[in-house]
Amino acid sequence: EAQVTQNPRYLITVTGKKLTVTCSQNMNHEYMSWYRQDPGLGLRQIYYSMNVEVTDKGDVPEGYKVSRKEKRNFPLILESPSPNQTSLYFCASSLGQGLPVFYEQYFGPGTRLTVT
Amino acid sequence: TQLLEQSPQFLSIQEGENLTVYCNSSSVFSSLQWYRQEPGEGPVLLVTVVTGGEVKKLKRLTFQFGDARKDSSLHITAAQPGDTGLYLCAGARGYQKVTFGTGTKLQVIP
Repeated sequence: EAQVTQNPRYLITVTGKKLTVTCSQNMNHEYMSWYRQDPGLGLRQIYYSMNVEVTDKGDVPEGYKVSRKEKRNFPLILESPSPNQTSLYFCASSLGQGLPVFYEQYFGPGTRLTVT
Repeated sequence: TQLLEQSPQFLSIQEGENLTVYCNSSSVFSSLQWYRQEPGEGPVLLVTVVTGGEVKKLKRLTFQFGDARKDSSLHITAAQPGDTGLYLCAGARGYQKVTFGTGTKLQVIP
């Protein structure tokens, strides 16, 4: 089954304790992206990756890191989480941009993070 | 700064009513998508529009892309409880960045 998986689904942590949220896709997609979703703000893009070893900042990258060492995996790293990073996080993958169309993004089930 | 504003933010209607959701921006997008998200799940694509003025229909849902490719609308005819969810528009800028709208939460009451 074609899917995007994220782990963990729920995480409660304390300020400053490094954490990693994993994301994996089995569709051989080149494009992967991380979003955070907050009430009234929709989804905001944190980082995206066009391919292995190619990553770039989205609209809200501060406090986050990513890596793309393999095509299927795109982990999100919070080196020193703070309470304002409490949010619902989604990983997504896509074929990417085929001008002028941006292909459908397939989303994972989400990770609800609480930082106290 | 949110580049894509959706209105209304919340909408509660009776089954059988019609409704329109708007997605507006001052920026031009190469393509625009509409997603629906249900509680506890990630968004799922409904449609992609590419050409200014384009209209696409998906059963009771009609999507339109503005002539200048800065705005879009979603019209639902005879809404049903199964239409309940969060509707999100998303615009592609350049080759890689995607901006999502602020979202419209729709509740259809049986």
